[in-house]
Amino acid sequence: QVQLVESGGGVVQPGRSLRLSCAASGFTFSSFAMHWARQAPGKGLEWVALISYDGNNEYYADSVKGRFTISRDDSKSTLYLQMNSLGPEDTAIYYCARGSSGNFAFWAYWGQGTLVTVSS
Amino acid sequence: SYVLTQPPSVSVAPRQTARITCGGNDIGSKSVHWYQQRPGQAPVLVVYDDGARPSGIPERFSGSNSRNTATLTISRVEAGDEADYHCQVWDNPTDHWVFGGGTKLTVL
Repeated sequence: QVQLVESGGGVVQPGRSLRLSCAASGFTFSSFAMHWARQAPGKGLEWVALISYDGNNEYYADSVKGRFTISRDDSKSTLYLQMNSLGPEDTAIYYCARGSSGNFAFWAYWGQGTLVTVSS
Repeated sequence: SYVLTQPPSVSVAPRQTARITCGGNDIGSKSVHWYQQRPGQAPVLVVYDDGARPSGIPERFSGSNSRNTATLTISRVEAGDEADYHCQVWDNPTDHWVFGGGTKLTVL
């Protein structure tokens, strides 16, 4: 069965960096677009980034563009999110998700999320 | 930027029908997806491409989309349906995914 397991969250000081990972299993990782979304405490979902199935295309929310980088290692079936210049507004649960067929289709599976807290 | 508007909350009695709306400019021209999120859990897809259901989702869940409003309909509501529901679209002009603000469904 499809499994997505995020890791790398924690408490980080403002201005510092953090890298999240999402280990995938149960499907051919290299065949699917992958996504990151986040949810601040008590708030709704916010899309963060998308990487195409072949890694050639990346898309970012305006709120993270230039600070966050999404990447994938198909040999390890792992998705990454490099987060730089973190601020309190980045405090959230971060979810990875697998798309359906194509880059812009619905998100068929989600991980359980990893909590990032930006605080001094 | 493209905006999706959902009511913050909807309340319904058991066995009645709940309708959760998602408003957006010409949303009828886009494919709308709906996710259920129970407290403390990750979102789960319940309706995709306006009205299709993934395997394992009860037939009580259905969706429609026309002009400026998409609607998630839950028939014969059960206590277990109590959750937050989020609508989502891909906005082509901006190359952005967009989520609505979410609607908390309360079963009375």
